[in-house]
Amino acid sequence: GQQLNQSPQSMFIQEGEDVSMNCTSSSIFNTWLWYKQDPGEGPVLLIALYKAGELTSNGRLTAQFGITRKDSFLNISASIPSDVGIYFCAGRERETSGSRLTFGEGTQLTVNP
Amino acid sequence: DSGVTQTPKHLITATGQRVTLRCSPRSGDLSVYWYQQSLDQGLQFLIHYYNGEERAKGNILERFSAQQFPDLHSELNLSSLELGDSALYFCASSVDLGVGQPQHFGDGTRLSIL
Repeated sequence: GQQLNQSPQSMFIQEGEDVSMNCTSSSIFNTWLWYKQDPGEGPVLLIALYKAGELTSNGRLTAQFGITRKDSFLNISASIPSDVGIYFCAGRERETSGSRLTFGEGTQLTVNP
Repeated sequence: DSGVTQTPKHLITATGQRVTLRCSPRSGDLSVYWYQQSLDQGLQFLIHYYNGEERAKGNILERFSAQQFPDLHSELNLSSLELGDSALYFCASSVDLGVGQPQHFGDGTRLSIL
């Protein structure tokens, strides 16, 4: 099935640094979602994007729906230790049955205080 | 707290056995989705139910089945368990058919096959 290419796989940064991660697909998506997963918990929705070109912020997080509809990025500014976790992109393909989400393989973020 | 409740939190069982995982969606949500998260495969979509009816199937094995009851809770049944079925199983819910709605996840059931 469709796979999302998420990069980087892992990041090790210092507190206060900005972070950027992205997802690309080979097919067109009509929805992009970004989730964060902490150990022992389920993914928590961070940002939802529904239109090509859409740029949405949630506090220190900013995400964009790529113009080509085949990519999305997530930026975290001024990182803090509690940003540690696995960040997943997820998308809904335009052509498939409308509801299923396809997930990227995650970006493991480590923030050193 | 997402409002999605999954039980049990942990399950340890043996190969060949059968287990049932339970999910209660957020209040008002009609759609329930099941996902499997393995170490080497990320989150994989299994199946989607809307208001009691199956709406979409992903890579769900024939040994696995699910249903959604009139009160909208859902159960995922896994039978003839194999070592490779060890994984985290997540349930998610959304308000409607989900095309324009995000999915909210429970905290998962960790299934360990010995």
